[in-house]
Amino acid sequence: RKEVEQDPGPFNVPEGATVAFNCTYSNSASQSFFWYRQDCRKEPKLLMSVYSSGNEDGRFTAQLNRASQYISLLIRDSKLSDSATYLCVVDPGFQKLVFGTGTRLLVSP
Amino acid sequence: EPEVTQTPSHQVTQMGQEVILRCVPISNHLYFYWYRQILGQKVEFLVSFYNNEISEKSEIFDDQFSVERPDGSNFTLKIRSTKLEDSAMYFCASSDPTSGGIYNEQFFGPGTRLTVL
Repeated sequence: RKEVEQDPGPFNVPEGATVAFNCTYSNSASQSFFWYRQDCRKEPKLLMSVYSSGNEDGRFTAQLNRASQYISLLIRDSKLSDSATYLCVVDPGFQKLVFGTGTRLLVSP
Repeated sequence: EPEVTQTPSHQVTQMGQEVILRCVPISNHLYFYWYRQILGQKVEFLVSFYNNEISEKSEIFDDQFSVERPDGSNFTLKIRSTKLEDSAMYFCASSDPTSGGIYNEQFFGPGTRLTVL
């Protein structure tokens, strides 16, 4: 089983749509969880940390289910500028980040 | 807003040559990292560095790789004898785990694209 697994997409959605990404991780001892965003040939940029209780930042909502080892990201009211690759990232507690392959989102007018 | 910087943005080298990739982490951060991303693939951890020593390294980080913090601001990755398969984007990152509890939020530089011919 891959350490962090994501559907690669692409997800093609119209502006204004709601889209959800899912991710599973294999290391049950993992300490912290993140969603990063990566634009083409750019560096990963932190979108949000994912807390056990779930958290929201504007149009973005992240959820964590430790029992199922499952992380999700919900984007409401999609904008053209949301087009990017969304990386599910896990910190197994050894001072390193483990990245998923990313899910590509394309938002069209 | 403080940011991680990297130089050069693009490095072209011949197979077998040595390269040094440079990074300036965010000034109050204590942990430094190198990652690489081969074109079309996922970001992969190479090494983490704290208190002037390596704290964790991956299987990729073999004897041809080394890291150094030569002064109070720079953090370097040296590849001793480059191979074709070393061609990738190399990202430096830094973090200050003491500021965010257990949430080790790492901030990435813009990367150095290494092309080995």
